[in-house]
Amino acid sequence: KAGVTQTPRYLIKTRGQQVTLSCSPISGHRSVSWYQQTPGQGLQFLFEYFSETQRNKGNFPGRFSGRQFSNSRSEMNVSTLELGDSALYLCASSFRDRGDTQYFGPGTRLTVL
Amino acid sequence: EDKVVQSPLSLVVHEGDTVTLNCSYEVTNFRSLLWYKQEKKAPTFLFMLTSSGIEKKSGRLSSILDKKELFSILNITATQTGDSAVYLCAVSGNTGKLIFGQGTTLQVKP
Repeated sequence: KAGVTQTPRYLIKTRGQQVTLSCSPISGHRSVSWYQQTPGQGLQFLFEYFSETQRNKGNFPGRFSGRQFSNSRSEMNVSTLELGDSALYLCASSFRDRGDTQYFGPGTRLTVL
Repeated sequence: EDKVVQSPLSLVVHEGDTVTLNCSYEVTNFRSLLWYKQEKKAPTFLFMLTSSGIEKKSGRLSSILDKKELFSILNITATQTGDSAVYLCAVSGNTGKLIFGQGTTLQVKP
């Protein structure tokens, strides 16, 4: 069974631009969660989607948004990029929500110049 | 506020040593505790623990959970250089989000 895939793997943007990241979960998984990983803050939860509904959201500004499609694929969007948004963005999928094992994709490395 | 604390933050050992990594937590409506290994890329799943006192084992790695004292340990015996990585502990409450600890960076020297 194929793992979680994320595209693109690397991105370089400038301040003020917008970016969209994509995540395809493991086949059959309906829950997708997004995390931001930085050296200073570690892994921080962004949001979780289950059956196309946002179930939970972390403490990030409204510039960070996401959605999930009927095939469980998910996208994350960051508008008006800031230097501090440079990070590894990880997507994780699980079969169910709430306590199920989450399997991570390879991540998208975003650099904001 | 929910939190997960790992110790030590970093550790240097030699091949063949045994290491114990610690994870303590405070989470509302605890459901599960997970251990991941991260080597310069995505975290890879090691164990999921939901019940106290039941050891999970995979090769040289094992883990156990104490829900009364709110902590877990990850043991690695006969360490190898390939065990060098960041080990992450995460806890799940009543929502789908995982709360991660800071991670323990393990370096195994030949």
